[in-house]
Amino acid sequence: LAKTTQPISMDSYEGQEVNITCSHNNIATNDYITWYQQFPSQGPRFIIQGYKTKVTNEVASLFIPADRKSSTLSLPRVSLSDTAVYYCLVGGVSYNNNDMRFGAGTRLTVKP
Amino acid sequence: DAGVTQSPTHLIKTRGQQVTLRCSPKSGHDTVSWYQQALGQGPQFIFQYYEEEERQRGNFPDRFSGHQFPNYSSELNVNALLLGDSALYLCASSRSGGADYETQYFGPGTRLLVL
Repeated sequence: LAKTTQPISMDSYEGQEVNITCSHNNIATNDYITWYQQFPSQGPRFIIQGYKTKVTNEVASLFIPADRKSSTLSLPRVSLSDTAVYYCLVGGVSYNNNDMRFGAGTRLTVKP
Repeated sequence: DAGVTQSPTHLIKTRGQQVTLRCSPKSGHDTVSWYQQALGQGPQFIFQYYEEEERQRGNFPDRFSGHQFPNYSSELNVNALLLGDSALYLCASSRSGGADYETQYFGPGTRLLVL
């Protein structure tokens, strides 16, 4: 499974746009990129998933360049409640995955 | 539509004991995965069950075992508990056989404390 690298922590202020970049240089052809959000003592919550170019849903956007060696999660106009740990995962269909590896994630702190 | 549920929410055990954690997947899901999350770390994959069989396994000892029932619910069993087994245990469910990537949905977790 492709290893991912994310910043350990980021700070932002309410109302700002936050971009968290994940590097995955060894991504395989059939791998998807998925982002999760986790609050303390809760299970990770699915945010967004993509394969290439740009994906947007009601909470975030995911930008994936043509070489797919990195991806950027964009959170528009963050609020205090967006303070959480964000995980980037890369993998294919679970049947072919030997592991679902979460890294340490990026701890986002949103300040008033 | 109920999401993934887990029981119990919290549990305290002593070293050497055995524990069983339970998980009910999201409606329509047939695959269940279990993760261990130590404080301050990301979740670590334990194993995955599909069609009542263990399909994949992470780097965990045989003390960790599981089961999946015909209704797709699952149990995680840990024998001979160690202090280091104290963690948040997460269950995630997904739907197999689809053309799209199998997004995993996580339950709230069971907090296990081993004394």
